[in-house]
Amino acid sequence: QKEVEQNSGPLSVPEGAIASLNCTYSDRVSQSFFWYRQYSGKSPELIMSIYSNGDKEDGRFTAQLNKASQYVSLLIRDSQPSDSATYLCAVQNTGNQFYFGTGTSLTVIP
Amino acid sequence: EAQVTQNPRYLITVTGKKLTVTCSQNMNHEYMSWYRQDPGLGLRQIYYSMNVEVTDKGDVPEGYKVSRKEKRNFPLILESPSPNQTSLYFCASSLQGWANYGYTFGSGTRLTVV
Repeated sequence: QKEVEQNSGPLSVPEGAIASLNCTYSDRVSQSFFWYRQYSGKSPELIMSIYSNGDKEDGRFTAQLNKASQYVSLLIRDSQPSDSATYLCAVQNTGNQFYFGTGTSLTVIP
Repeated sequence: EAQVTQNPRYLITVTGKKLTVTCSQNMNHEYMSWYRQDPGLGLRQIYYSMNVEVTDKGDVPEGYKVSRKEKRNFPLILESPSPNQTSLYFCASSLQGWANYGYTFGSGTRLTVV
């Protein structure tokens, strides 16, 4: 079983819609959770981090964490074509190792 | 500008010829790490370092070496590269591994071993 699982997509949404990206993790005692965005041919860049159950909002992005279900999600409101990228979920365990999912490819259609 | 600098960006080499990929950060970060990214497998951690002279294996350390003699530098060494090490490599750093700041990534090194 992989440490972090994501649907590879591709996920397509029309411009202005809400994009919903999901991630599950296997280590129940994981502490920290991150979403990265990676444009084709570029390095990953950090979008958001979340540590506590519930929602965390930053501009058009909302991260949601449910530790009981071992589930993390990222909502992108008012999706723009510039949001088209691969989104990586990452989890940090108590042993200070980061595990990344394989990423979900998002395409926002103008 | 705060950044992680990797060199080279592209490298083609032959099997068995030792190579080093350099990584340097100017943010005074304690924590540094190397990843490789392969299609369908995502980012996999090779080695990480909590601080100077402290390194530890990640998930896929076989065939790689690292050293951390200075805080800013964390080179990745392939003593005898093989074709299965053809991949996209990223160096990353963080203020403190335990403090959950997330990573700043370098621009990547695309390595081809023939």
